[in-house]
Amino acid sequence: DVKVTQSSRYLVKRTGEKVFLECVQDMDHENMFWYRQDPGLGLRLIYFSYDVKMKEKGDIPEGYSVSREKKERFSLILESASTNQTSMYLCASSPWPRHLSGNTIYFGEGSWLTVV
Amino acid sequence: AQSVTQLDSQVPVFEEAPVELRCNYSSSVSVYLFWYVQYPNQGLQLLLKYLSGSTLVKGINGFEAEFNKSQTSFHLRKPSVHISDTAEYFCAVSEGGSQGNLIFGKGTKLSVKP
Repeated sequence: DVKVTQSSRYLVKRTGEKVFLECVQDMDHENMFWYRQDPGLGLRLIYFSYDVKMKEKGDIPEGYSVSREKKERFSLILESASTNQTSMYLCASSPWPRHLSGNTIYFGEGSWLTVV
Repeated sequence: AQSVTQLDSQVPVFEEAPVELRCNYSSSVSVYLFWYVQYPNQGLQLLLKYLSGSTLVKGINGFEAEFNKSQTSFHLRKPSVHISDTAEYFCAVSEGGSQGNLIFGKGTKLSVKP
């Protein structure tokens, strides 16, 4: 089974802190994603990466950055956390579409971040 | 540009009743379509997907969905729901030839009552 592991399930951080959310996948997938999930808004893409050291902005990149130094690891960084970044963050991975899985994206369990 | 509309934000039903969760999409090219389920405090899990071929797709837990190209819809159905089906359901679309990003709808919360 594909496994996407997010290092922290629940975090509480103070306004202005630098926050790192870590994600690791064990299936050698090329694509990795960070989504934010808020009630009534569904999932919104923050950033994605289709290769090591490559990144693309999603729909809501402001206030976030990402790092992908190794294929299996994709980190989301909040440079200076703010209360409006309190949310559920979901990491995901998928093989490149040429593979037979037809773009299936596999999700981690999510990280609940509260900024106070 | 792609978009996905889930017409109902909440659907309450009684146990053993049938249910349909509606999803419409907009895209000018060929698409892949997905339904994901999210149980409380968990990540998303793939329920079923349409890539090509038969327009009726069967998934896990007794769910099925039908792709209707003329109506640009991909509604999810189950003939008899259980309490354990209580969850949030997300419809998603990606375009053929894209890098594999999914565009998600805003979700439908299915609440199954005894």
